[in-house]
Amino acid sequence: QSALTQPASVSGSPGQSITISCTGTSSDVGAYNYVSWYQQYPGKAPKLMIYDVNKRPSGVSNRFSGSKSGNTASLTISGLQAEDEADYYCSSYTRSSTVFGGGTMLTVL
Amino acid sequence: QVQLQESGPGLVKPSQTLSLTCTVSGGSINSGDYYWSCIRQPVGKGLEWIGHIYTSGSTNYNPSLKGRVTISVDSSKNQFSLKLNSVTAADTAVYYCARGYYGSGTTWYFDLWGRGTLVTVSS
Repeated sequence: QSALTQPASVSGSPGQSITISCTGTSSDVGAYNYVSWYQQYPGKAPKLMIYDVNKRPSGVSNRFSGSKSGNTASLTISGLQAEDEADYYCSSYTRSSTVFGGGTMLTVL
Repeated sequence: QVQLQESGPGLVKPSQTLSLTCTVSGGSINSGDYYWSCIRQPVGKGLEWIGHIYTSGSTNYNPSLKGRVTISVDSSKNQFSLKLNSVTAADTAVYYCARGYYGSGTTWYFDLWGRGTLVTVSS
């Protein structure tokens, strides 16, 4: 199984919106609505931000949203804040296993 | 609330076996539609799924680890464990325990993570 493809980095100014893409194949992202997104600060464990493509766990800001089209999923963060600066990873279910994206570093300018 | 804690040697010699134990506290490892996973992250790099186990004992592993992995569960101790054989420097990483939720086949995500533990492979 190959890792999902994410941009290495994205950036935005406070208040703006950014979108991080996550491209897989018809065997993972395209086949299941089981895409999740994780936020990770340096030296910390990942935290679930989005699951099942577009669902938010309790406690996660509604500034975070997810979507999917074909083999590509996306995470959008609106009203960017300094605290959003972190690494973001997508993940998908595939054939009784899990595959992660390579991660995207978000910089808030 | 439920927590996960990794434990194990921080240093393993090349060709030896890496062992990691994940302890579940604040809840039963047998409750709910959960699977229990091991995930690793080389320093400065991305996440890599290693494998998971259901409390039934059924397992799935990352094919890229070429049969070097075994994950087992000990419900009496509320623990699950990872063994990775024939390690090399490439296996140096922060190793995480994570709880996955599958909702009787309706979903799939990791909702709980341990803090992670750095395992270095070096002589």
